[in-house]
Amino acid sequence: GDSVTQMEGPVTLSEEAFLTINCTYTATGYPSLFWYVQYPGEGLQLLLKATKADDKGSNKGFEATYRKETTSFHLEKGSVQVSDSAVYFCALSLRQAGTALIFGKGTTLSVSS
Amino acid sequence: GAVVSQHPSWVICKSGTSVKIECRSLDFQATTMFWYRQFPKQSLMLMATSNEGSKATYEQGVEKDKFLINHASLTLSTLTVTSAHPEDSSFYICAVTGPYGYTFGSGTRLTVV
Repeated sequence: GDSVTQMEGPVTLSEEAFLTINCTYTATGYPSLFWYVQYPGEGLQLLLKATKADDKGSNKGFEATYRKETTSFHLEKGSVQVSDSAVYFCALSLRQAGTALIFGKGTTLSVSS
Repeated sequence: GAVVSQHPSWVICKSGTSVKIECRSLDFQATTMFWYRQFPKQSLMLMATSNEGSKATYEQGVEKDKFLINHASLTLSTLTVTSAHPEDSSFYICAVTGPYGYTFGSGTRLTVV
């Protein structure tokens, strides 16, 4: 079935370090891909998305490129901040109307100053 | 973007009682809403898809008689946890899909004592 696989966490970095969180997917057809962020005790916020191959989603310094050939959507940021500490979820949606998002297991990022 | 209100944000109840969680779409009509459950430090697991005016579609393994979902209007879906037990303690999140893509509620922390 359709699924999303994320790298296991937690990821612990110092401020200004480079971040990569790997995400790969399995899906029938051509899904849309998303990264969501969840801060402690809160719901999910959309961080970025891409809807077709080679699209690059970007927001708040984060980037991810939809790679159809490797079925990947890795999240990157050049210089993390303490405020980026959160749980990051990779997700996909199939293009049929009314279908739910399918999430990866989430990766906890902890950034220290 | 879309605004989704989920209430209550947290609730503590005694074993054997029922708890109702509301999810409201404030600025657009949502024919489809989703209910997710999140265990501590784990991903979001889709529980059911709620369609306005019809019965919800439950995911495999989710007890429909225990988790009652009602989507009586285009702006409101409710999840009722019936005869709650400590193992039902979890974080429940609703989501809607609309003109702005997927929007999540802020979640409900349920603790059953």
